Amino acid sequence: EADIYQTPRYLVIGTGKKITLECSQTMGHDKMYWYQQDPGMELHLIHYSYGVNSTEKGDLSSESTVSRIRTEHFPLTLESARPSHTSQYLCASSESGLHQPQHFGDGTRLSIL
Amino acid sequence: GQSLEQPSEVTAVEGAIVQINCTYQTSGFYGLSWYQQHDGGAPTFLSYNALDGLEETGRFSSFLSRSDSYGYLLLQELQMKDSASYFCAVIGDTGRRALTFGSGTRLQVQP
Repeated sequence: EADIYQTPRYLVIGTGKKITLECSQTMGHDKMYWYQQDPGMELHLIHYSYGVNSTEKGDLSSESTVSRIRTEHFPLTLESARPSHTSQYLCASSESGLHQPQHFGDGTRLSIL
Repeated sequence: GQSLEQPSEVTAVEGAIVQINCTYQTSGFYGLSWYQQHDGGAPTFLSYNALDGLEETGRFSSFLSRSDSYGYLLLQELQMKDSASYFCAVIGDTGRRALTFGSGTRLQVQP
């Protein structure tokens, strides 16, 4: 069973606040990812990391930033939240290698008022 | 870049067989994956095809034809719990080496 955890599970917060979404995995995976998904829609890659001190932007332009200081931890930060950031954010991890399956967390449902 | 096409919705009855198709366009190609996502849940990995042919895992099978840029997921002996969204995904760009997902097919299994 995959061990990848996201907190908070739900967050309702006002415009302009700084938000950090937490993601941790205990599997020792080098690769980690953040996806944004609106209800009933596809997953859009917004950030990924191949390992410590490695971060890259994904397909979908995002005002969020990420950091990877430890293998197990890949937090996502929004400096100033806006209503357009309302969405579900999914974190995933995988072993290195092209075709390793990704293991997903349960997601954070973010709502910006 | 990468793009994937799959039907938005499929409906079938319990016990039936359903096929979910996926066509893709990529600059490179390193395999086709399938993920299942129940409403409110996390996506979970189902299968991966790197080579042409059929891969079988229990009630689920996945097929790939690289020459046709086409694959499908076959679900047999459908159960109510199979009602979910199914996403195909590719790694098509070696520089990025991250998955691009299709828009998903919502499968409704009826009694």
